Amino acid sequence: AQTVTQSQPEMSVQEAETVTLSCTYDTSESDYYLFWYKQPPSRQMILVIRQEAYKQQNATENRFSVNFQKAAKSFSLKISDSQLGDAAMYFCAYRSGNSGYALNFGKGTSLLVTP
Amino acid sequence: DTGVSQDPRHKITKRGQNVTFRCDPISEHNRLYWYRQTLGQGPEFLTYFQNEAQLEKSRLLSDRFSAERPKGSFSTLEIQRTEQGDSAMYLCASSLYSGDEQFFGPGTRLTVL
Repeated sequence: AQTVTQSQPEMSVQEAETVTLSCTYDTSESDYYLFWYKQPPSRQMILVIRQEAYKQQNATENRFSVNFQKAAKSFSLKISDSQLGDAAMYFCAYRSGNSGYALNFGKGTSLLVTP
Repeated sequence: DTGVSQDPRHKITKRGQNVTFRCDPISEHNRLYWYRQTLGQGPEFLTYFQNEAQLEKSRLLSDRFSAERPKGSFSTLEIQRTEQGDSAMYLCASSLYSGDEQFFGPGTRLTVL
């Protein structure tokens, strides 16, 4: 079974600064997808960014970008110009491209943004 | 259509009682997923449907749990003879048949006393 590990239970960043959230995963598959989801307090989970394993180019969505290191099985999220609204739980997730459709989530990283 | 909706948002029940939750996916979405999220953890997959067919069930889905999706529209998740360990947030998500992004609902928070 694939495992997703987020080693940072909590992170803190000052407004306008940059922060990087770490994620590693374990898989023997070559075809898969990786995601970062954001879960604000008492609000529903939303997709921040996704990466297909077959793509070498790192995904970018406005202030959010990833560093996808396939050989190292690492998938970190960089948030630039942090805003107060970025404060949330961030979950890294894996989905197989070959079997099943379930998302396999890490335990999450709580991001605090200070003024 | 404003997204995935779930009802109720909160449920408090006594141990041994049965509970049922409802999920209404985004209208054109064929796939529907149920996850469970306990405090301090990421969501864990329970089951998913493609239209009305239940195609995959996790080992977490014990025989006290049953899910249905009649006519491929809304879905229900029933827990029989609830236990304190069932206390969690139950999340529903939906996606397009050919799409990968899963859109999540706000969840139903279950507390078993």
